[in-house]
Amino acid sequence: RKEVEQDPGPFNVPEGATVAFNCTYSNSASQSFFWYRQDCRKEPKLLMSVYSSGNEDGRFTAQLNRASQYISLLIRDSKLSDSATYLCVVILSGAGSYQLTFGKGTKLSVIP
Amino acid sequence: GAGVSQSPSNKVTEKGKDVELRCDPISGHTALYWYRQSLGQGLEFLIYFQGNSAPDKSGLPSDRFSAERTGGSVSTLTIQRTQQEDSAVYLCASSLLGSRGMNTEAFFGQGTRLTVV
Repeated sequence: RKEVEQDPGPFNVPEGATVAFNCTYSNSASQSFFWYRQDCRKEPKLLMSVYSSGNEDGRFTAQLNRASQYISLLIRDSKLSDSATYLCVVILSGAGSYQLTFGKGTKLSVIP
Repeated sequence: GAGVSQSPSNKVTEKGKDVELRCDPISGHTALYWYRQSLGQGLEFLIYFQGNSAPDKSGLPSDRFSAERTGGSVSTLTIQRTQQEDSAVYLCASSLLGSRGMNTEAFFGQGTRLTVV
């Protein structure tokens, strides 16, 4: 089983739609979680951290379910500018190592 | 500058030559990561530094790849005897050691696009 798994998509949604992405992680000792966004031929950029209590930033809501070991990202009222690849990131610590493990990403295309 | 800086931004090299890629992290960031990304693929972890030491080198694909970090700041990734399959974007990221010894979110440089011909 891969350490961090995401549905690769693509998700093709119309403007204004609500879309949700899930990400599962295999190591229960994982401690920090993030969603990153990567535009075509650009570097990944932090979208939001994911907290146990869940957090919201405008149209974006992130949730963490430690018992089931999954993270979700909800995008409401999709905009054309939301088209990108969304990367789930998990930090696993152990033996002095703090590796950021990336999922392969979920591609989103918002269609006019 | 305030962000992670990588150089060169683009590098074309002949097969068999050595290349050196540089990463200048955000000032004060103790952790530094190297990844590579082939076209249309996900990020492949190469190596992680905490300060000047590399507790995790597990991602280096072969002994042609090496990396070092000096002064807890700049890092160089060296690829010896480059092969065509080394062509990719090499991304560097840095993060701050936060509370409870946990690394916080990472910030990426714009990458070095390496093409081996």
